[in-house]
Amino acid sequence: GAVVSQHPSRVICKSGTSVKIECRSLDFQATTMFWYRQFPKQSLMLMATSNEGSKATYEQGVEKDKFLINHASLTLSTLTVTSAHPEDSSFYICSAKGLAGGPGYEQYFGPGTRLTVT
Amino acid sequence: ILNVEQSPQSLHVQEGDSTNFTCSFPSSNFYALHWYRWETAKSPEALFVMTLNGDEKKKGRISATLNTKEGYSYLYIKGSQPEDSATYLCAFNAGGYSTLTFGKGTMLLVSP
Repeated sequence: GAVVSQHPSRVICKSGTSVKIECRSLDFQATTMFWYRQFPKQSLMLMATSNEGSKATYEQGVEKDKFLINHASLTLSTLTVTSAHPEDSSFYICSAKGLAGGPGYEQYFGPGTRLTVT
Repeated sequence: ILNVEQSPQSLHVQEGDSTNFTCSFPSSNFYALHWYRWETAKSPEALFVMTLNGDEKKKGRISATLNTKEGYSYLYIKGSQPEDSATYLCAFNAGGYSTLTFGKGTMLLVSP
């Protein structure tokens, strides 16, 4: 149980275009989903926390107008990188927490999306 | 800014060796410490969630201990196997928050 999928796994786009990444919880309902970014040899860095039906909470330094997050249902959150630039090239990974999960409960991760902006 | 450190950065052992690595985290405002195992091209897999000082958890050949007063956790692998090759991540939960602060991970390679 507790499977999270992410699509696409890899995407290459041209500078100035927008890219949408989907994160789905397949066998449980997730009130909260998280979006992380990882640059080479760095740790997973939280970008934003997404709660179903409400606006996402962004971490300091993350532009909310550039990284649009929508959490329209209990099983789907999307991250759209708008007007992508080469410096947005990174590994993006989502995680989800179930309905009953408090702060100390596991987050279940997707496999990640490698974004390359040319 | 919370600082979570993992050491070593990478480790190469032979099949059958036992190994351990460290995660250090802030000792104040502790809520939980998570360990994940992350194989290439797969999702990070939750190994343990540890909340109490002195906690010791075990899953097969893998075990972990927790010292919240001094701010560290050890992960042990007994009799390493090639399939244990992965990056092991720890993540810190500050009190009352759902967000996790991750270390950079320890990359383990087990050679047959």
